[in-house]
Amino acid sequence: QSALTQPASVSGSPGQSITISCTGTSSDVGGYNYVSWYQQHPGKAPKLIIYDVNNRPSGVSNRFSGSKSGNTASLTISGLQAEDEADYHCSSYTSSNTGVFGGGTKLTVL
Amino acid sequence: QLQLQESGPGLVKPSETLSLTCSVSGGSISSSGYYWGWIRQPPGKGLEWIGSIYDSGSTYYNPSLKSRVTISVDTSKNQISLKVNSVTAADTAVYYCARGWFRFDYWGQGTLVTVSS
Repeated sequence: QSALTQPASVSGSPGQSITISCTGTSSDVGGYNYVSWYQQHPGKAPKLIIYDVNNRPSGVSNRFSGSKSGNTASLTISGLQAEDEADYHCSSYTSSNTGVFGGGTKLTVL
Repeated sequence: QLQLQESGPGLVKPSETLSLTCSVSGGSISSSGYYWGWIRQPPGKGLEWIGSIYDSGSTYYNPSLKSRVTISVDTSKNQISLKVNSVTAADTAVYYCARGWFRFDYWGQGTLVTVSS
């Protein structure tokens, strides 16, 4: 199975909105509504922030939202804050009953 | 509050077997109805899904690692284990255990395993 494709880096200024894409195939992202997103600060474990395409776990800010169109899922962060600077990883269920992650995207808050 | 903690050798020699344990506290693995998984992250790189195990013992593995990986559960100790055979430098990574199959909501802090002679 091939890793999902994410941009290596994105950046934005405080208060702005940014979107991170995650592209897979019809055997993973496009075939199921089981896309998740994780936030990872340096030296820390990933934290689940979006599951099943557009659901937020309890306690996650509503500034984080997810969507999907075809084989591409997206994470949008609105009202960008300095604390949002982190790595973001997408993942999906696959037709082989496995999971697969993207390569990760580094978000820089300017 | 569910907590997971990985443990095991931080240094493994090439061609040997990497063995890690994940201790779960704040909840029971047995009959939990949850999957428990292992994920790794090479230095400076993205996450890689290794595999997951159900509380009953059924498993799913990454096809690219399946021939070298074994995940098991010890309900009496409330632990999950990972073994990776015939390791090379490419297996050097931070290894995480987490609750879930393809979606992970609770994570351990991770443990760095370096493969080097």
